[in-house]
Order: sequence, then C-alpha cells, then structure tokens
Amino acid sequence: DIQLTQSPSFLSASLADRVTITCRPSQGISSYLAWYQQKQGKAPKLLIYAASTLQSGVPSRFSGSGSGTEFTLTISSLQPEDFATYYCQQHYSYPITFGQGTRLEIK
Amino acid sequence: EVQLVESGGGLVQPGGSLRLSCAASGFTFSDHYMDWVRQAPGKGLEWVGRIRNKPSSYTTEYAASVKGRFTISRDDSKNSMYLQMNSLKTEDAAVYYCTRVRDTGWSGAYSDYWGQGTLVTVSS
Repeated sequence: DIQLTQSPSFLSASLADRVTITCRPSQGISSYLAWYQQKQGKAPKLLIYAASTLQSGVPSRFSGSGSGTEFTLTISSLQPEDFATYYCQQHYSYPITFGQGTRLEIK
Repeated sequence: EVQLVESGGGLVQPGGSLRLSCAASGFTFSDHYMDWVRQAPGKGLEWVGRIRNKPSSYTTEYAASVKGRFTISRDDSKNSMYLQMNSLKTEDAAVYYCTRVRDTGWSGAYSDYWGQGTLVTVSS
C-alpha cells in the first residue's frame, strides 16, 4: 500500500498568512494526487486534482504543485473560511489512500 | 446539481449486518464509478471500496480491512449504490460517505462529489 505522510499535522496561522502543507507518498505516484478540505461535521470537498488543477468553483488562493514523491498545497492568503482539516489522497494504485490530515487553526 | 444521499446507518451489534444505500441525482449515474469512504469518530478518511460502471463490467475493489465482509453493488435503473456490510466489528463504526468518481483518463479517478454521510455505530 502507498502511505501518504502529511506535514505538519497541525498548523496555527493568522488571517492573510500564506501556508503550505506537504504530502509525501511512500513511492512515486506521478500526478495522481487530490486535495480535500473538510470542515467540522461536514463532508470533504475537492479542492485540487491531478496535483495542480483547481476544481471548478474553488478560490484561486488555493494552489497545488508537485509530482512523484512530494506534493504541496498552498493557500496564498488565509481567509476565515479556510480554517479546516486538509487531506491528500492518492489514486495511483489500489488501495486508494489518504494522508492523516492537517488541521489548520486560527492563531 | 449533483446530489448524493446516503441512508441506512444505525446501531448494530458486533457480528451483525447492515446495508447502506446511496441515492444519486443531478448527473448520469451509469457513467460513473462510485466509491465508499468512511471516517471513524475523530479520525481521518479511509477508502472502503469502489464499483466501476457497466463498460468496466461493474468490477469492484476493496480495502483489505473490509474485503470478504463488505460488498458494493449498484442499480443503474435506480441511480443507486449499496454497501452490504456483514460480520461488523467495533472498528467499522464510522460515518460512511458515498462519493462520485471522476475519471478523465489523464488525471486518474478521484472523488469529486461527496454525500453528507450516514453514521454506523457498532456496539453491544
């Protein structure tokens, strides 16, 4: 199975900050990586697919990059609605796996 | 508008069975693969399994943790997917999400829409 390691697991940041979350697969996955945002008590929401393609309707302050064994999700200027938990997901091979999550909180 | 509505969750004893349903609307259900993903209380996301569409012979994939106990099926005439869960364990307790899978070929097959989830509690 491909393990995904997200860092950090917890992030405290202020409004307007630029933040970056990293996802490292245990083996190369080309660009078969997606990022999801989950708010408390809600279903996850797709933000990024194919490592760097923004899902329709997602604000442009979100961006993704990387391929192979290192990926990043960047939020350029934190807004109040961005405080949530973020997950990466690989769909390169079965079983599909998720990172353990990064909880982003207001400082 | 894409909508996915799960139902069928509830309290079940260890060793028991439960069948979850996912009703889809707002898109051509038969075109898409579909996934189940679960989330134990206070924990992260865990992929449960996938069912492909008719052109892919409705084949399925499962996580090792549920293989042999859970079965995913679908009824395209009813725009619905199902998760039959047998021999339930306490560690199967979670919110179960139904997701639509988007597969463009070049970008892989990932979940683009999620239902609101249904809670399964396994306890005696």
